[in-house]
Amino acid sequence: GQQVMQIPQYQHVQEGEDFTTYCNSSTTLSNIQWYKQRPGGHPVFLIQLVKSGEVKKQKRLTFQFGEAKKNSSLHITATQTTDVGTYFCAGPEIYNQGGKLIFGQGTELSVKP
Amino acid sequence: KAGVTQTPRYLIKTRGQQVTLSCSPISGHRSVSWYQQTPGQGLQFLFEYFSETQRNKGNFPGRFSGRQFSNSRSEMNVSTLELGDSALYLCASSDPRGDRAYEQYFGPGTRLTVT
Repeated sequence: GQQVMQIPQYQHVQEGEDFTTYCNSSTTLSNIQWYKQRPGGHPVFLIQLVKSGEVKKQKRLTFQFGEAKKNSSLHITATQTTDVGTYFCAGPEIYNQGGKLIFGQGTELSVKP
Repeated sequence: KAGVTQTPRYLIKTRGQQVTLSCSPISGHRSVSWYQQTPGQGLQFLFEYFSETQRNKGNFPGRFSGRQFSNSRSEMNVSTLELGDSALYLCASSDPRGDRAYEQYFGPGTRLTVT
């Protein structure tokens, strides 16, 4: 079945270092979304990318959608302790007319002050 | 707008019992999805309801069921609970119109522990 894979599973960084998580889909995606889940919290929607090669920025976060619309990345510049959490990518199930999302396993980011 | 609310927040049940969880979506959101989150399996899609109809279903046994009411509120039910059903159950609502149709807004979840 359709799969969305994320690497790495865990990332430990020193505050101020950069961080990148990668997402790969087994199928072409109509769009890709990113969510952040703080420890003990619930996933919070960050952004949606739709166009091939699209790049979007939110302050220190840069999101990219691959040209083939099968991969994506999230890059955080100069991490802060507030960035701690698990970052998930998700894409809609292929040929699905509804809201069924396939989530990656997530990348857990820890930031050492 | 108020966010997605879920009740109860925490629940402890015994094997073999059944449980009903409730979700109230963001006002105006007609699509409600349910996910199970566990450390080993991540976020697994259970089902999606739209206009009181189940539109999508994940790969879970028939013990897991749900429904949606005319006001878009949704409930999910798990019968004959097993230890492996212990998880965080998340409800997410979305407005399936326009280019933001797939954006999911999650509630705080219900932490279910089966003993």
